[in-house]
Amino acid sequence: GAVVSQHPSRVICKSGTSVKIECRSLDFQATTMFWYRQFPKQSLMLMATSNEGSKATYEQGVEKDKFLINHASLTLSTLTVTSAHPEDSSFYICSARIFGAGNFNEQFFGPGTRLTVL
Amino acid sequence: RKEVEQDPGPFNVPEGATVAFNCTYSNSASQSFFWYRQDCRKEPKLLMSVYSSGNEDGRFTAQLNRASQYISLLIRDSKLSDSATYLCVVARWAGANNLFFGTGTRLTVIP
Repeated sequence: GAVVSQHPSRVICKSGTSVKIECRSLDFQATTMFWYRQFPKQSLMLMATSNEGSKATYEQGVEKDKFLINHASLTLSTLTVTSAHPEDSSFYICSARIFGAGNFNEQFFGPGTRLTVL
Repeated sequence: RKEVEQDPGPFNVPEGATVAFNCTYSNSASQSFFWYRQDCRKEPKLLMSVYSSGNEDGRFTAQLNRASQYISLLIRDSKLSDSATYLCVVARWAGANNLFFGTGTRLTVIP
């Protein structure tokens, strides 16, 4: 199957700092990537849809000025958590959908980034 | 009401057992259905799509009941390697970006 990587896998930062998470599709081009967040014992929740070359679409309740998304190429999307606070501590997972895939809804997930804000 | 609801378990079963998971979804207009598997602290991986006619992949059988808005996953002859969390996932329409995830059902297969 398709491979999606994320970097870093784990980050610990102080409150008020910004953290950038990278999501890369390694062996395919992804016009659309997705950013999810998973709190302990809760389900994955879609935060935003990242489209190459255009602005991201954010889900209700997700602050676009706090979670900056850039999708500058067909293989890279970045999520920047600005002025992180302890309540932003979570597991952030990206996924990518293969352009033109027959199973249109199949998304391939990255390994996730565990963010801890002190 | 949650978009997708699952029994969180945990299910602890001996090797070789048959185990079934259930899931219900709230939006009757939903079009696409999936089971994903997520190992501890890892990313979800697609296990199988679920079709109206039901489908089978080796030891795994998925069923969809649109009238009851109910999805099931049956695992036969459980292996130790089946231990994981199984996520029920629903999309509103075939081309939808937004996948709605259940909280998952934790399965532990015991030797």
